[in-house]
Amino acid sequence: EVQLVESGGGLVQPGGSLRLSCIASGFTFRTYWMTWVRQAPGKGLEWVANINEDGSEKYYVESVKGRFTISRDNAKNSLYLQINSLRAEDTALYYCARDLRVFDIWGQGTVVTVSS
Amino acid sequence: DIEMTQSPDSLAVSLGERATINCKSTQSILYSSNNKNYLAWYQQKPGQPPKLLIYWASTRHSGVPDRFSGSGSGTDFTLTVSSLQAEDVAVYYCQQYYSTPFTFGPGTKVDVK
Repeated sequence: EVQLVESGGGLVQPGGSLRLSCIASGFTFRTYWMTWVRQAPGKGLEWVANINEDGSEKYYVESVKGRFTISRDNAKNSLYLQINSLRAEDTALYYCARDLRVFDIWGQGTVVTVSS
Repeated sequence: DIEMTQSPDSLAVSLGERATINCKSTQSILYSSNNKNYLAWYQQKPGQPPKLLIYWASTRHSGVPDRFSGSGSGTDFTLTVSSLQAEDVAVYYCQQYYSTPFTFGPGTKVDVK
């Protein structure tokens, strides 16, 4: 079964950090781009970042540049998002997705809440 | 960045009737070299991740019922549900993948009247 499972979310104070993880199964992870998309409570979808097959290309939405870092470990079929200097506006459900420029497989997401 | 807008914000349609959602981009997302529109549609039901419905503006993703269709080109696009079923109640998003940052429309909520 093709599957993506995120983890690592939680409650963090403003300025804090978290590392989100996404484990892929059921497809050849190392041959696909991967993406993170977030959704603030009751709001729409926002693309956050993506990474190419070998991790040599990474792209970010402007609002997270310098604070978020996307990475991957193909040996572990894993995608990561290191999120630093967290702000209240980063509070959201974070999804990982397989990236064909469109997103055909999504995980269930992991919740990040930034609050003091 | 390419901004995406959608209309209406919400609509209520009787079962079996047609639902039409519009999406506009602030610049053309038609790539001239391959004549493809870099536009996708997603469906999101409450408590679930989005599901890809349509890409290249009009190509249905595997397993998507044929009552869902996409049309349009350049900057103006439409998602049509030809005969609304109860399971189609959801929020629908368009997304451009012409250039990064990839951007989504704000969503259109579809309910049964």
